[in-house]
This record gives sequence, structure tokens and C-alpha cells, in this order.
Amino acid sequence: DGGITQSPKYLFRKEGQNVTLSCEQNLNHDAMYWYRQDPGQGLRLIYYSQIVNDFQKGDIAEGYSVSREKKESFPLTVTSAQKNPTAFYLCASSIAGHSGNTIYFGEGSWLTVV
Amino acid sequence: DAKTTQPNSMESNEEEPVHLPCNHSTISGTDYIHWYRQLPSQGPEYVIHGLTSNVNNRMASLAIAEDRKSSTLILHRATLRDAAVYYCILRGTSGTYKYIFGTGTRLKVLA
Repeated sequence: DGGITQSPKYLFRKEGQNVTLSCEQNLNHDAMYWYRQDPGQGLRLIYYSQIVNDFQKGDIAEGYSVSREKKESFPLTVTSAQKNPTAFYLCASSIAGHSGNTIYFGEGSWLTVV
Repeated sequence: DAKTTQPNSMESNEEEPVHLPCNHSTISGTDYIHWYRQLPSQGPEYVIHGLTSNVNNRMASLAIAEDRKSSTLILHRATLRDAAVYYCILRGTSGTYKYIFGTGTRLKVLA
């Protein structure tokens, strides 16, 4: 089935460690996104990518890094510089170019700092 | 970037219609209005979207004001499964491809 796969679903990180969240899509979408959601809050954009080998910072990019080496993959690394990383992370994708295109989300990944 | 404003929460009785409002006074002429909903610990799912005309699908209807500065998502008969956070979002302007989420409205459906 077509869709977006995020892994792992749950991840625990020790302070000072970097962790990478995986996001894979088989929808043949050019654009991919990472959002962060804190409990009871809305979604905030971390990074987005319109095309392979290109990405832009969103509203809260500090402490995060991404890569887009393949069209179907957009991994997010939460670095030790992110001081409060405990949150729900959502990956999404869409066809690029037209504002009427629908965005599709993965099921999300929970990251907890222990 | 155009932003949206929604009420924090709303309540509805089961099997009654629900009207969820959204203000987007800085919308540009080419921005579509999208609605998504999110259940706890899940990714948001698509509900409906439109540009200028009112839109209907099997899930809901979208009524867009003539000046496009506001819109209303209409659930014709709310069920307990419709209890979720509903987001009204606009596509980013100037080809930036960003989907900008507002705070969302938490809909509570009373049995």
C-alpha cells in the first residue's frame, strides 16, 4: 500500500545523544516535511524539502538536521543541541508546485529524553 | 506567510450539525484552504479543501466566504468518531510549499 512510514514509533534518548528518525514514502512525492508537536499543542514546521538534495529551515530548525539524498527518504536527526526534544514528530509529503495539493502524514514518532 | 485563527475548542451533541470556523484574513489569491483532523497520537488526516467555491465530500462540507477571509467546516451529523482536533491550514505563498498549521479546534462530541 502507498503511504508514509515513520520509524521507530517510540524512541528514548539519553541527554547528549543524537538520534535519527526515519521517514520513507512510496507516493512518488517531491516534497517532504517534518513537524514537531508538543502535548496539547499544534504542529510546528522543522524542515521541508521540495526536491532531492535541497531543503529549507522551517520555524523551529535549531537543534535539528535533515538530509534528502533520495526522493523517497527524508530522515531527521535530533542533535544534542536541541535542549527540549521530548515531543511527537510527524513526517509528511505532498506533490510539489500547486497549493491545492493534499499533504499526507505518517503515523508519527514519539521521542522521549531520559 | 498567511496564518489562520480558530477557536480553541467546541462542543456538539451527537447527530447534530457542527460548524467549525476559521479566519484567514491574509490569504493570498492562489492559496487553497485545507482542513485536516487529528486523533490522539496519530498523524493528521485529510478532510476537505477548496479555493473559492463551496465543496462537499463524503466526510464534510466546506463553506468559503465570498472575500475568502474566512471559511467554515461543516460536519452534517456529528458522531463520537468525529471527536478530534481540526486544523484549518493554508498552503504557503510564493511557491514555498509550506503548509502552515494554526492552533486547531478541539471538537468534543457529547453522546
